[in-house]
Amino acid sequence: DIQMTQSPSSLSASVGDRVIITCRASQDIDNNLVWFHQQPGRAPKSLMFAASSLQSGVPSRFTGSGSGTDFTLTISSLQPEDFGTYYCHQYKTYPLTFGGGTKVEIK
Amino acid sequence: EVQLVESGGGLVQPGGSLRLSCAASGFTFSDNFMDWVRQAPGKGLEWVGRSRNKAKSYTTQYAASVNGRFTVSRDESKNSLYLQMNSLKTDDTAVYYCVRAGLQGGLYIMDVWGQGTTVTVSS
Repeated sequence: DIQMTQSPSSLSASVGDRVIITCRASQDIDNNLVWFHQQPGRAPKSLMFAASSLQSGVPSRFTGSGSGTDFTLTISSLQPEDFGTYYCHQYKTYPLTFGGGTKVEIK
Repeated sequence: EVQLVESGGGLVQPGGSLRLSCAASGFTFSDNFMDWVRQAPGKGLEWVGRSRNKAKSYTTQYAASVNGRFTVSRDESKNSLYLQMNSLKTDDTAVYYCVRAGLQGGLYIMDVWGQGTTVTVSS
């Protein structure tokens, strides 16, 4: 199985800060990576697919990059609605797997 | 509007069975892959199983943790996805999400999630 490792596991940042979350795959997944955002008590929402393609309706302050085993999600200017947990997910091979999550708190 | 609405969750004893349903609307159900993903209390996301689309004969794929106990199926006439869960264990306690995997960039990728239904396995 492909293991997905996210870092950090949690962070606290202020509104307007630049935030970077990383995701590492245990083997090459090309660019077959999605980023999801989940607010407490709600279903996850897709932000990015193919590592760097923004889902329709997602603000442009979110950018994704990477290929192979190392990926990043950057929020250029953190907004209050960005709190919650971010998950990366690989769809290169079965079983489909997720990272453990990065919890973002607003200072 | 694309919508997924899960139902059927509840409290069940270890060793028991439960069937979850997911009513889909707003898109061509037969064209898309569909997934079940679960989230144990306070934990991360875990993929459970997949139903491929009609073109792929609705074939299925499962996580090792549920293989042989859970079955994903569809009723095309009702635009509904199902998860039959047998031999339930306390570790199966979770919120279960129905997820559409739509075609993007030539691959089927999870893109729209239902609100989830809660399954509690306890004596």
